Amino acid sequence: AQRVTQPEKLLSVFKGAPVELKCNYSYSGSPELFWYVQYSRQRLQLLLRHISRESIKGFTADLNKGETSFHLKKPFAQEEDSAMYYCALRRGNTPLVFGKGTRLSVIA
Amino acid sequence: KAGVTQTPRYLIKTRGQQVTLSCSPISGHRSVSWYQQTPGQGLQFLFEYFSETQRNKGNFPGRFSGRQFSNSRSEMNVSTLELGDSALYLCASSPRDTSPYEQYFGPGTRLTVT
Repeated sequence: AQRVTQPEKLLSVFKGAPVELKCNYSYSGSPELFWYVQYSRQRLQLLLRHISRESIKGFTADLNKGETSFHLKKPFAQEEDSAMYYCALRRGNTPLVFGKGTRLSVIA
Repeated sequence: KAGVTQTPRYLIKTRGQQVTLSCSPISGHRSVSWYQQTPGQGLQFLFEYFSETQRNKGNFPGRFSGRQFSNSRSEMNVSTLELGDSALYLCASSPRDTSPYEQYFGPGTRLTVT
């Protein structure tokens, strides 16, 4: 079965420091991978997906099939980045499988 | 376009009762999925509907059921409520079921079972 692991429940960084939110998955094929974000009192929303190879709000994520990872990175954290981040995986027409999330806290 | 809407937003029920939650997807979206979100388990998939047909079902007991109407609106029902059913129930809609896949989430219904 597919599984998504986010090893850190909480990650605290100082403003301006680099951020890396880890995501590892277990699936041998070619999945679709996503990062979703939930800001305080807002609904869960898509941040980015690997097939788009995009950068949103300064965040990027590279799919590493060898390490089965899809870590989310940002070179300089901002206070407004504080939120709950979820990594998710989808294979074919199966439902999204979410990791348990990492709470990012950016300290001023 | 209006976003995904869920009603009611908050609900308090007692053990043994049943509850029905409603979700209206974004106009034109035909796929609706439901998730249960709890602090301990995170987001767990309940079921997915596409054009009124259940396509996928998560690992939840039969007390959890759902349906989708011809206008793509969806409802989920939980019968014989248990304390452990207290959670935020999220609905998400998608314009398609193929890649690129993107789900738009509603604000959720906060269910408290006492």
